[in-house]
Amino acid sequence: GIQVEQSPPDLILQEGANSTLRCNFSDSVNNLQWFHQNPWGQLINLFYIPSGTKQNGRLSATTVATERYSLLYISSSQTTDSGVYFCAVVIGGTYKYIFGTGTRLKVLA
Amino acid sequence: DADVTQTPRNRITKTGKRIMLECSQTKGHDRMYWYRQDPGLGLRLIYYSFDVKDINKGEISDGYSVSRQAQAKFSLSLESAIPNQTALYFCASKSSGGAGELFFGEGSRLTVL
Repeated sequence: GIQVEQSPPDLILQEGANSTLRCNFSDSVNNLQWFHQNPWGQLINLFYIPSGTKQNGRLSATTVATERYSLLYISSSQTTDSGVYFCAVVIGGTYKYIFGTGTRLKVLA
Repeated sequence: DADVTQTPRNRITKTGKRIMLECSQTKGHDRMYWYRQDPGLGLRLIYYSFDVKDINKGEISDGYSVSRQAQAKFSLSLESAIPNQTALYFCASKSSGGAGELFFGEGSRLTVL
């Protein structure tokens, strides 16, 4: 089946630093989303980005579907950015979302 | 109010008990999903439904059943709970068609003693 790999698995940053999270997928996909799971367990939608580039405040994302990867950029990180970041892809033709194992981010004050 | 609502949010039960987790959504979506998350892991699909008459097994359906009572409601049942079903459960919904975002409920934390 399709493999969704995220890197790095863990990341510790000082407040104010920038970071790039990566999501690689092994097959063609229809959709791709990035989620943030906060320390309380809630899953928050960040980006719906099957292709192209989007920006929302300090966060931006780019998906290059032909090369099977997506990047999530966090600039000027804040302690509230801490948590786990997941990418999820939809397999072509099935409409089932498959999740990566996430990147655990900790931002230190 | 949340667009996707799960009840209960937290539940502690004993081995062998029947448990139902309920989910309702106000987004008018056709598609609904149940996922399970274990500590340190991603989400795994239990069941999904594309409409009231369409129910499909996901990766880890053994030990679970579902009911799509209406377009807006999708419940997950554990007929006889066991300790390794202790996990965080998420319901999600999405509009029909290939495009469109998946929206999650706030999660139901289940502990089976």
